[in-house]
Amino acid sequence: RKEVEQDPGPFNVPEGATVAFNCTYSNSASQSFFWYRQDCRKEPKLLMSVYSSGNEDGRFTAQLNRASQYISLLIRDSKLSDSATYLCVVNMGSGGGADGLTFGKGTHLIIQP
Amino acid sequence: EPEVTQTPSHQVTQMGQEVILRCVPISNHLYFYWYRQILGQKVEFLVSFYNNEISEKSEIFDDQFSVERPDGSNFTLKIRSTKLEDSAMYFCASTPFTEAFFGQGTRLTVV
Repeated sequence: RKEVEQDPGPFNVPEGATVAFNCTYSNSASQSFFWYRQDCRKEPKLLMSVYSSGNEDGRFTAQLNRASQYISLLIRDSKLSDSATYLCVVNMGSGGGADGLTFGKGTHLIIQP
Repeated sequence: EPEVTQTPSHQVTQMGQEVILRCVPISNHLYFYWYRQILGQKVEFLVSFYNNEISEKSEIFDDQFSVERPDGSNFTLKIRSTKLEDSAMYFCASTPFTEAFFGQGTRLTVV
């Protein structure tokens, strides 16, 4: 069974702190990896793709470890507006294109003032 | 900025009725998807659509579900005989290849 596993949290973090989430996936043939952000009762929004070499976008850093089949998201200098659910998403199709994305259940982050 | 649009935003229907959820994907995208999210649960894949046919579907996508691209812009999900457990948020997404962009969703409530 193809799965994506995340710690559901909630992570309660003071404003300005650094927080990290991990996610593991079951299919070693997975080709593409993403972090999405979902606010309450809203659609998932792409936060960043995760590349093999790791990538950074402002305060956000994503890493991929293929050998251990996990991806991570690091948020530095957290803001109140970072409070949301963070979804780990893996494309487990061998072709990587039209196959369905597999979502984790999400990690709930609460930034406290 | 181009976006995926879905209508209606909220649909209430009686059990056993048919509903059609509508989506307009981003115009130059090639792959279209429907997902659903039951309240408090994870986003679940229903079906993917490419080149005017279903390319993959999940076990959730049984005979009561169907998808269509009736014209060059719309992408619809039909649920033939709704059940109470079909109540969920339904998200349409489109992608040029791998990064999916989601519509705002249709909240379906079956009563």
